[in-house]
Amino acid sequence: DTGVSQDPRHKITKRGQNVTFRCDPISEHNRLYWYRQTLGQGPEFLTYFQNEAQLEKSRLLSDRFSAERPKGSFSTLEIQRTEQGDSAMYLCASSLRGGGHNEQFFGPGTRLTVL
Amino acid sequence: GEDVEQSLFLSVREGDSSVINCTYTDSSSTYLYWYKQEPGAGLQLLTYIFSNMDMKQDQRLTVLLNKKDKHLSLRIADTQTGDSAIYFCAEVLSSGNTPLVFGKGTRLSVIA
Repeated sequence: DTGVSQDPRHKITKRGQNVTFRCDPISEHNRLYWYRQTLGQGPEFLTYFQNEAQLEKSRLLSDRFSAERPKGSFSTLEIQRTEQGDSAMYLCASSLRGGGHNEQFFGPGTRLTVL
Repeated sequence: GEDVEQSLFLSVREGDSSVINCTYTDSSSTYLYWYKQEPGAGLQLLTYIFSNMDMKQDQRLTVLLNKKDKHLSLRIADTQTGDSAIYFCAEVLSSGNTPLVFGKGTRLSVIA
């Protein structure tokens, strides 16, 4: 296993279009996180899953954002009716659930540009 | 509330020590982290410290935690040009598996 992978790495879309990003976590990791990073800022938490259950989604930026992890493995993040303000890097991370510290491993991100 | 603050830029000469500072507001933080981000690359965990510790050393890296002042620092000894990157401070609340809260990052520039 080579780590967390994300697809695509870059996405350019026109305003109003829908986009979907995929994240494949490290295979034995049961927690999966989505973050958004805009220029000059640190990553901002969006949502996370334990297996297929979405544990927190109140931080999703609007109802245009949704995420799924149907079989507890890969996850998708969808943005409907994209706006120019959605342009950012979308990062996925995974970790093992357990007591104490469990490192979150980050993928390379998907850079979204909305024209 | 959750808030992590860092200075935005730091410039040092190669071979000198770098000290990157961070303050956080939530006293219930259990773990505090330092991540490194290089251009075009993902976030890489450098080191972390549990909130009941005040220091942790890992090769060239030294983390100091002042829980009373909610202040965290990362010292990089013998800074190299390869250390040029953005360094993020992050905290985790309550358990160790909740989402990370990041600062805005400190851009470290190492001058040869």
